[in-house]
Amino acid sequence: AQTVTQSQPEMSVQEAETVTLSCTYDTSESDYYLFWYKQPPSRQMILVIRQEAYKQQNATENRFSVNFQKAAKSFSLKISDSQLGDAAMYFCAYSTGANSKLTFGKGITLSVRP
Amino acid sequence: EAGVAQSPRYKIIEKRQSVAFWCNPISGHATLYWYQQILGQGPKLLIQFQNNGVVDDSQLPKDRFSAERLKGVDSTLKIQPAKLEDSAVYLCASRGAGGFPYNEQFFGPGTRLTVL
Repeated sequence: AQTVTQSQPEMSVQEAETVTLSCTYDTSESDYYLFWYKQPPSRQMILVIRQEAYKQQNATENRFSVNFQKAAKSFSLKISDSQLGDAAMYFCAYSTGANSKLTFGKGITLSVRP
Repeated sequence: EAGVAQSPRYKIIEKRQSVAFWCNPISGHATLYWYQQILGQGPKLLIQFQNNGVVDDSQLPKDRFSAERLKGVDSTLKIQPAKLEDSAVYLCASRGAGGFPYNEQFFGPGTRLTVL
C-alpha cells in the first residue's frame, strides 16, 4: 500500500523568508503523481503544485517549487518570499494514474510571522 | 465556474443519531469523492464514484455509512447510527473525465460533524 509521511507537525517562517516542507512516500509503482495541497483555516483544500513522477524537472509555480528525488522517494515543497496568506495546513499527497484516489500525509501547520 | 458545494457546513448530533451530508460537484465532473478528515490527520478516502457507479468503497464502514449518487450528479453521504469517532470534517471532491492526466481534484468547503 502507498503511504505518505510528513514528519514535521509544525513550522514557522518569517515573512519574506524561505521555508521548506518535507514529505516522503512509499510506493512500488513506477508511474504516479505527487501533489502539495494547502488548507487555510476556512478548510477549502486548494492545489498548490503537482509533479509527475516520469518528469525529471522539478515543478515550479510562482513562489512555490518542489525538490523531487525519485530514488529517495522524497518530495519537498519550497515557499519563497513567504507571505502572511501562506499560513495554512499543507498536505503532501500521492496518486496513481490508474486510480485517482489521493493518499494524504498527516499535514504540517505553517505559521508566518510578520 | 462554480466550485464544489456542500451542505450543511456544520452539524452537531448525539451518538446513535443519523445524519446526512450533501454534495454538488462541479458541473460536468464525472468523478466524485468523499473523504473523512479527522482532526490532526490528512483526509482519507471513504468512497469514489464514477458517474453513478462506485469505483472504490474499500474504506467505507458499510455497517453504518452509506452513499449514493443518483443520476451521476449530486451525492449524499449518510451515517446511521453515528459514533463518537465519526466526529470529523467530511470533504467532497470532484474531477473532470478524460484528457486530464494530472488527476487534479477540486474540493468543497467540507461539513464539520460533531458527535456528542
